[in-house]
Amino acid sequence: QSVLTQPPSASGTPGQRVTISCSGSISNIGGNTVNWYQQLPGTAPKLLIYSNTQRPSGVPDRFSGSKSGTSASLAVSRLQSDDEADYYCGTWDDSMNGPVFGGGTKLTVL
Amino acid sequence: QLQLQESGPGLVKPSETLSLTCTVSGGSISSSSYYWGWIRQTPGKGLEWIGSMYYSGTTYYNPSLKSRVTVSGHTSKNQFSLHLTSVTAADTAIYYCARHSSVGLRDYWGQGISVTVSS
Repeated sequence: QSVLTQPPSASGTPGQRVTISCSGSISNIGGNTVNWYQQLPGTAPKLLIYSNTQRPSGVPDRFSGSKSGTSASLAVSRLQSDDEADYYCGTWDDSMNGPVFGGGTKLTVL
Repeated sequence: QLQLQESGPGLVKPSETLSLTCTVSGGSISSSSYYWGWIRQTPGKGLEWIGSMYYSGTTYYNPSLKSRVTVSGHTSKNQFSLHLTSVTAADTAIYYCARHSSVGLRDYWGQGISVTVSS
């Protein structure tokens, strides 16, 4: 099982706003910044959000991140069909001295 | 733009050593504040950090794999490597090399290489 906890699935209709949660502990999310990744089938995870809220160039502003305490969230606004993918959260873990990840959330656009 | 590319065999026999290399372009593995590491993905266990090398050369390993893992750097070639010994079918996965940070700097991943452990 993964160190960070994510819901296995989420869904929404086109145009809706969907949020995906990520829960951890004081040794990981509680003391470090959070990244979010999007993974399309057969491809490597793509960085969507880093340092809790920052978007790499080229990532639409429909994607936003937030963090509070030992939890973080990814919000996808104005949902589109090509947002259908697996989403992972990741952060540094001070006890492992390495990155840890959530188990992934499969986002379905209905 | 930083780019990372994994290379190595796609098939390894049980009990043998899995060896992969990551070639870095657009940046140096000696750059301060960054870790250069390996992450794998399996359907059953999701994304799992294997081990990393800090720019200074210090290495860190996932406790669950520590006894079998070595990550090392080759600064003259701007490459770093993964060696995983005594592999079993459970080590079958897609292996990614990545540059990552403990202080909120953005990370970069390679495209991944699929490795199957089978006789």
